[in-house]
Amino acid sequence: DIQMTQSPSTLSASIGDRVTITCRASQSISNWLAWYQQKSGEVPKLLIYRASTLENGVPSRFSGSGSGTEFTLTISSLQPDDFATYYCQQYNGLSPWTFGQGTKVEIK
Amino acid sequence: QLQLQESGPGLVKPSETLSLTCTVSGGSISGGDYYWNWIRQPPGKGLEWIGNVYFTGGANYNPSLKSRVIISLDTAENQFSLKLTSVTAADTAVYYCSRAVRVWGQGTLVTVSS
Repeated sequence: DIQMTQSPSTLSASIGDRVTITCRASQSISNWLAWYQQKSGEVPKLLIYRASTLENGVPSRFSGSGSGTEFTLTISSLQPDDFATYYCQQYNGLSPWTFGQGTKVEIK
Repeated sequence: QLQLQESGPGLVKPSETLSLTCTVSGGSISGGDYYWNWIRQPPGKGLEWIGNVYFTGGANYNPSLKSRVIISLDTAENQFSLKLTSVTAADTAVYYCSRAVRVWGQGTLVTVSS
């Protein structure tokens, strides 16, 4: 089974900061990776799919990169609405899908 | 616009079977190359993928839950369902259904308690 290791688990940052979250897969998943944002009490919101494709309506300050086993989510300039928990998910076909443990982005 | 809605009991007794249904509207459950998923989130914790069913009916499960889970399609009703047997308090969570990664239901809280 494919394990996803997400880091850091918590990140403290200020408005305007560039923020990077990393997700590592235990084996290659090509680009079958999604990133979600979740706020307390809300449904996870898809930000990025296929590792780097921005979902419709998601601000361009969000970007994703990587392939194989190493992936990153970058927020180019952190905004007040971005304080939330972020999850990666691999969805590599018939293998069991898995989520990362989550990264909570807090106000510094 | 495709929409998903979870339904089922909000309270289940320990050792019993949790049964949930996801009703799909705005599209056909058998009309495309999609995986239909169940995901859960215990209070205050992260997301856990439970399993999925392909549009052909084949299913795939989280190994940690595989012995207790059945996910199936009902194309006539345009629904798919989750059955989780022998539940304990650790199965208390918000349960979500989704189509692949892009479309999610609103989630339903299921509490396991006597």
